[in-house]
Amino acid sequence: GAGVSQSPRYKVAKRGQDVALRCDPISGHVSLFWYQQALGQGPEFLTYFQNEAQLDKSGLPSDRFFAERPEGSVSTLKIQRTQQEDSAVYLCATTLGTGIGYGYTFGSGTRLTVV
Amino acid sequence: GENVEQHPSTLSVQEGDSAVIKCTYSDSASNYFPWYKQELGKGPQLIIDIRSNVGEKKDQRIAVTLNKTAKHFSLHITETQPEDSAVYFCAARAVTGNQFYFGTGTSLTVIP
Repeated sequence: GAGVSQSPRYKVAKRGQDVALRCDPISGHVSLFWYQQALGQGPEFLTYFQNEAQLDKSGLPSDRFFAERPEGSVSTLKIQRTQQEDSAVYLCATTLGTGIGYGYTFGSGTRLTVV
Repeated sequence: GENVEQHPSTLSVQEGDSAVIKCTYSDSASNYFPWYKQELGKGPQLIIDIRSNVGEKKDQRIAVTLNKTAKHFSLHITETQPEDSAVYFCAARAVTGNQFYFGTGTSLTVIP
């Protein structure tokens, strides 16, 4: 596609509910990142994929967070037993390559509100 | 890990004036510094970037300067226009891995 597509755009979840957030990257983009952006803050790294391999998941805040990219294209971020502190915008970003100078192309994000 | 600080958090300028946003970073090995513009309800959009082997880069009304010794870099926007109003984020790339560390953002308002 022409850009990074994220769905849903908005998600309201009751506390304790599981949610799944989807990212459709630009075709051919090798690297895929998930970031969490709290209100009024900069994005914070969650996890990184190179093709289907999850090379870095050091930013995932707890074992309730899980991400996958099984075929090296579409990725899903899953949050189990959501809590209020999980409320944020979840951004997906992709890059064509892995070397220096490859800036991100971000999607518009999924705004998650946990009530 | 890397720590990126950004100032000011808010900035208002008159249309046509210049705007400057400054960032500092802590890891002297960071080697790539992009700037992103984020409009309401949208994801951040790359507007300019600079590598550590370059001191300055310009693209029309936007320029970025990098001082590796002092570990700071700045975004300069000249002849500001109302459509420049947005939140701007600086970032630094970690040496290991590909993740970026972002500043906390500057909300720029250009007053017509």
